[in-house]
Amino acid sequence: DADVTQTPRNRITKTGKRIMLECSQTKGHDRMYWYRQDPGLGLRLIYYSFDVKDINKGEISDGYSVSRQAQAKFSLSLESAIPNQTALYFCATSDRQGGQPQHFGDGTRLSIL
Amino acid sequence: DAKTTQPNSMESNEEEPVHLPCNHSTISGTDYIHWYRQLPSQGPEYVIHGLTSNVNNRMASLAIAEDRKSSTLILHRATLRDAAVYYCIRSNNAGNMLTFGGGTRLMVKP
Repeated sequence: DADVTQTPRNRITKTGKRIMLECSQTKGHDRMYWYRQDPGLGLRLIYYSFDVKDINKGEISDGYSVSRQAQAKFSLSLESAIPNQTALYFCATSDRQGGQPQHFGDGTRLSIL
Repeated sequence: DAKTTQPNSMESNEEEPVHLPCNHSTISGTDYIHWYRQLPSQGPEYVIHGLTSNVNNRMASLAIAEDRKSSTLILHRATLRDAAVYYCIRSNNAGNMLTFGGGTRLMVKP
């Protein structure tokens, strides 16, 4: 079983719909992250959370919101989806110690028509 | 601002060593250097990281310049499965933040 699980793996939806992407982890890590990746580019940070009560905006948080329901769960929501949010979305986790590597899920491919 | 500079692409022959360079001339004293790779249709995969000393693990070696302004990821014997995009990233010691640049696309020829 994967340590970092993202659901759904693929989603096609329409402009204006509310969408939730979910991430769960079994690594016991405190820190969780959401990134998006556009074709041919590197990942960009949307939101991150250092523990259940700590949520922080990343580089491109506009149009997104998150919820840290538990240490193991971190959800990303698009309140009103728009076509330029079509992208590949990745969740990641890391240990609380500084400099530790991040562990990524397999991604959610989201298409907004 | 990715804060690291890598070549867009490199080629290697199978079973030969590969040296992937990275420049990070503005690195601070507490930033770690991380390397990740991404295969098609997969999430980034951690390869190796270091602070000052050279590092080795089962996947690769990381050679860090004495002034820490550059580093090199070394794959000792490239295989076809090593074909991927390799990202060199500075990670803040306090926040574990990763800022991805464009990476180097490594192509491995049989």
